[in-house]
Amino acid sequence: EPEVTQTPSHQVTQMGQEVILRCVPISNHLYFYWYRQILGQKVEFLVSFYNNEISEKSEIFDDQFSVERPDGSNFTLKIRSTKLEDSAMYFCASLDRVGEKLFFGSGTQLSVL
Amino acid sequence: SQQGEEDPQALSIQEGENATMNCSYKTSINNLQWYRQNSGRGLVHLILIRSNEREKHSGRLRVTLDTSKKSSSLLITASRAADTASYFCALRRNTGNQFYFGTGTSLTVIP
Repeated sequence: EPEVTQTPSHQVTQMGQEVILRCVPISNHLYFYWYRQILGQKVEFLVSFYNNEISEKSEIFDDQFSVERPDGSNFTLKIRSTKLEDSAMYFCASLDRVGEKLFFGSGTQLSVL
Repeated sequence: SQQGEEDPQALSIQEGENATMNCSYKTSINNLQWYRQNSGRGLVHLILIRSNEREKHSGRLRVTLDTSKKSSSLLITASRAADTASYFCALRRNTGNQFYFGTGTSLTVIP
């Protein structure tokens, strides 16, 4: 079965550094999402992406965050200057063609020191 | 809030028992979905119920939806140790392609 893949599975960075989290959504899906989950807490929406532009974003998704689909395959989330509170599990998801079910990757655990 | 709120936050049962978890919400929805998350993993879609439906079944899963009370419940019958996971409800509004997740119920099934 096709799946969403995310790399790396773990990322450790120093506060103030830039990180790029990578995702390969399912190939025939059109909507892509980033969510984050702070340890054991709720799954928070960050941003959705459709037709090479941001469709919706939450208040969490401030100027430090950006998303890109550079080559029609990868979908990246960049955090320009990481803060301690950015430490979380970041999930990429894509929406099936019917527009009903989200398919999630296994996540990238980001630790900001 | 546009998110769902699950309760209980945590539930521990013996294998073979039924597990019921609830989701309450405040907005109008197009559909409500339940997802499962094994520890440290991504969420996996379980079942979807549309706003004009009241009950759906899928294997050992039964989901109900009461739009007048803005609540849903997920019942897992004859639970197994492998059902141990966190369960989240997700709301899909009538406009847009946004999904709002709840806070989750952590289910532990004791063998």
